[in-house]
Amino acid sequence: DIQMTQSPSSLSASVGDRVTITCRASQGITNYLAWYQLKPGKVPKVLIHAASTLQSGVPSRFSASGSGTDFTLTINSLQPEDVATYYCQKYNSAPRTFGQGTKVEVK
Amino acid sequence: QVQLQESGPGLVKPSETLSLTCDVSGGPINTNNWWSWVRQPPGKGLEWIGETHHSGITNYNLSLKSRVTISADKSKNQFSLKLNSVTAADTAVYYCATDTMVRGVLHKWGQGTLVTVSS
Repeated sequence: DIQMTQSPSSLSASVGDRVTITCRASQGITNYLAWYQLKPGKVPKVLIHAASTLQSGVPSRFSASGSGTDFTLTINSLQPEDVATYYCQKYNSAPRTFGQGTKVEVK
Repeated sequence: QVQLQESGPGLVKPSETLSLTCDVSGGPINTNNWWSWVRQPPGKGLEWIGETHHSGITNYNLSLKSRVTISADKSKNQFSLKLNSVTAADTAVYYCATDTMVRGVLHKWGQGTLVTVSS
């Protein structure tokens, strides 16, 4: 199985800061990588698919890049409503494994 | 637009079988969608459990494969999860989800249901 490893596991930043989360696949997955946002008490929401394609309705301060084994999710100008746990997921084939998550908090 | 709703017991005894159903509304289950189950244990991350297609094809998380069965019922427009020989480690919020736009990307989720394994 391909393993997905995210870093950091948690971070705390100030409103307006730029935040970067990384996701590494143990084998190449080309661009079959999605990012999800999970807020407490809410349902997971897809932010990005195809490694860098922003879902409709997702604020433009979210961006992502990467291919192969290394991927990043960036939040430009962190906002209070971005407090959540972010997960990457490979979806090129089953098992469609999630990363372990990165908890983002606001200082 | 497809809507998903999980149902099933919120409490299961150790060694018994956890059974959940996901009702699909707003569209038929016999499409090219893959119908998935994901869980989140308390204080932990998301874990992909497995998926099924209306054709009967299934894929499972290898760590759960020996205990899990996911199937679709076209007549009831629903799909189900069965996890046998449960332990406390199977306590989690269980979500059903589907890929409505891109294969494998879970765009649509149910609200989730907490299942506690305890005697």
